Amino acid sequence: LAKTTQPISMDSYEGQEVNITCSHNNIATNDYITWYQQFPSQGPRFIIQGYKTKVTNEVASLFIPADRKSSTLSLPRVSLSDTAVYYCLVGDPKAAGNKLTFGGGTRVLVKP
Amino acid sequence: NAGVTQTPKFRVLKTGQSMTLLCAQDMNHEYMYWYRQDPGMGLRLIHYSVGEGTTAKGEVPDGYNVSRLKKQNFLLGLESAAPSQTSVYFCASSYGNLAKNIQYFGAGTRLSVL
Repeated sequence: LAKTTQPISMDSYEGQEVNITCSHNNIATNDYITWYQQFPSQGPRFIIQGYKTKVTNEVASLFIPADRKSSTLSLPRVSLSDTAVYYCLVGDPKAAGNKLTFGGGTRVLVKP
Repeated sequence: NAGVTQTPKFRVLKTGQSMTLLCAQDMNHEYMYWYRQDPGMGLRLIHYSVGEGTTAKGEVPDGYNVSRLKKQNFLLGLESAAPSQTSVYFCASSYGNLAKNIQYFGAGTRLSVL
């Protein structure tokens, strides 16, 4: 699975937009980019997934440039409840076992 | 809709004791996984299963065994617990390679080995 690099932590304030960039320089042709969110004392939860360009759902947007060597998760108008750890994962969804490799994630703290 | 349920939620063991963690999913998922998460770190894959009756090793399998006798259940066993196995254990499941690599996680089991 492709190795990813993301910031260790980020601080923000309520109502602001939070953008977390993930680097994945050796992403393979069949790899998808997936983001998970983990609240304290809970298991990770799927947020969004994309292959190229832009993907948007009710929770977040995912921007992927043409070279796919990085991606940016955008959380619009965050609230205190968005305080969590966000993980960027890269992998081939058709690979044997659908295994995921979690890095350290980005700890986002939303302040009032 | 329960999703992925893990039991127990908490457990304290003495070194050398054994125990089994149970994971149950009601989504008819083919694939199931066991991870451990140590403080301040990401999750690491212990074992996984791509179907009933099959299991495979993940990144950190030593000291653990698993069984998938029924499609909806995935058991993680510690035969002789060690303090290094103190961690939070998460179970997850997914549809398998027909879907886009989305895993659904349980709430976790917090294990302390003294």
